Amino acid sequence: NAGVTQTPKFQVLKTGQSMTLQCAQDMNHNSMYWYRQDPGMGLRLIYYSASEGTTDKGEVPNGYNVSRLNKREFSLRLESAAPSQTSVYFCASGTVMNTEAFFGQGTRLTVV
Amino acid sequence: GQQLNQSPQSMFIQEGEDVSMNCTSSSIFNTWLWYKQDPGEGPVLLIALYKAGELTSNGRLTAQFGITRKDSFLNISASIPSDVGIYFCAGQDNTNAGKSTFGDGTTLTVKP
Repeated sequence: NAGVTQTPKFQVLKTGQSMTLQCAQDMNHNSMYWYRQDPGMGLRLIYYSASEGTTDKGEVPNGYNVSRLNKREFSLRLESAAPSQTSVYFCASGTVMNTEAFFGQGTRLTVV
Repeated sequence: GQQLNQSPQSMFIQEGEDVSMNCTSSSIFNTWLWYKQDPGEGPVLLIALYKAGELTSNGRLTAQFGITRKDSFLNISASIPSDVGIYFCAGQDNTNAGKSTFGDGTTLTVKP
């Protein structure tokens, strides 16, 4: 049982480049989330999807877009990367009724 | 928005010592969660608390949901080297579709 799988694990981008972070879960969860983690800080919510077909902004959505492709997959896109987006990105999934979130292993993104 | 203050920011302890960390919030939560993050991994849930005043144990870990619903603490007894990591508190309220607000984390170092 893979749980939450994120790709890629590492990525270096130049300022202005675009890329999509992929996330897939195999636990049949309704809700999926994208967080970013910066040194010395907790996880801040970028976007979430409470169910297939819906997405909503979190605490820090600027510079990002998301797509809930189907129940399993939730992608995060950076249209024009900036150095301030250098961070570790975590995807998570859960059910609305069960409060626990299951996290992927993270994508370490560096924008130069 | 909601904010969590987690303290201490870091702890350096000797193997065998007990550890205590806490979180306080400016607003009420209906659920408190405690996660642990190992290096290079995503956070993993340790304990979930659902009722004010609730005291829950998981092995050497004990957590309590504060009576005011604005705070929670986590205790680790008889620490061992594998307790090393970052511990996060997270709070949820009923309006947020399973989203969590995270504290900034407590980094624990255990000296053998």
